[in-house]
Amino acid sequence: DTGVSQNPRHKITKRGQNVTFRCDPISEHNRLYWYRQTLGQGPEFLTYFQNEAQLEKSRLLSDRFSAERPKGSFSTLEIQRTEQGDSAMYLCASSFKGNSSYNEQFFGPGTRLTVL
Amino acid sequence: LAKTTQPISMDSYEGQEVNITCSHNNIATNDYITWYQQFPSQGPRFIIQGYKTKVTNEVASLFIPADRKSSTLSLPRVSLSDTAVYYCLVGPILYNQGGKLIFGQGTELSVKP
Repeated sequence: DTGVSQNPRHKITKRGQNVTFRCDPISEHNRLYWYRQTLGQGPEFLTYFQNEAQLEKSRLLSDRFSAERPKGSFSTLEIQRTEQGDSAMYLCASSFKGNSSYNEQFFGPGTRLTVL
Repeated sequence: LAKTTQPISMDSYEGQEVNITCSHNNIATNDYITWYQQFPSQGPRFIIQGYKTKVTNEVASLFIPADRKSSTLSLPRVSLSDTAVYYCLVGPILYNQGGKLIFGQGTELSVKP
C-alpha cells in the first residue's frame, strides 16, 4: 500500500501527558498537511509543510501543539500536556505539485486520540 | 479569513441529481475551492476542484459564480453508495503560497432507494 500512513492508529493517554503522532506521506509528495477532526465537524486546519518549510499554521500551533518535518519526508505532530478537549481524530494528508499547483490532497486513515 | 457554510444535511433518492451549495463570502483572490467526500472512519477523498466558472470531471460538476462567494457541487444520478458527508474546502493551492485551508462543517447526504 503506497498511501499516506499514520501511526499510531489509536492512542489513549492520561491528561497532562505528551503524545506524538507520525505521518508518512506518499512518496514524492512534497506538501504535507495536518488537520484535527471532532465528531460531526469538518477537519480543522492545523498546519502544512512544503518540503521541510512550514508554510502556514493555525493559532493552535503556537500553544501546546507543534509539528515538524525535518527532512521533508515524514512529519510528527506533538501535543504537550494533553487535555480532554484534545480528544479527536488527527488527520494527515499529502499532495504533489502539478504544473504550478497542488490539487488533490490524499488523506491517511487518521490517529484517534482519547485523553482520559 | 474565509468562513464556509454548508447545509447540515440533505436527502435524495437514487438516480436523482443532487446539488450541494457552499457559501464562502470572504474568499481571497488566491483561494481555490475543493470538494471532498468522507465516509465514516475514513479520511476525506477528493472529488473536484475549481477557481471560477464550471468544472466537470467523471463524477461531478462544480459551479462557481463570477463573484466566487459560493460554489455548488453537482452529483448526477446519485446511488446508495454516495451516502456520505461532503465538505467544501477553501484555500490557496499554488506553489510557495501560504494561507489557511478552511473546511466547511460538512453536508450529510443520505440517498434512499
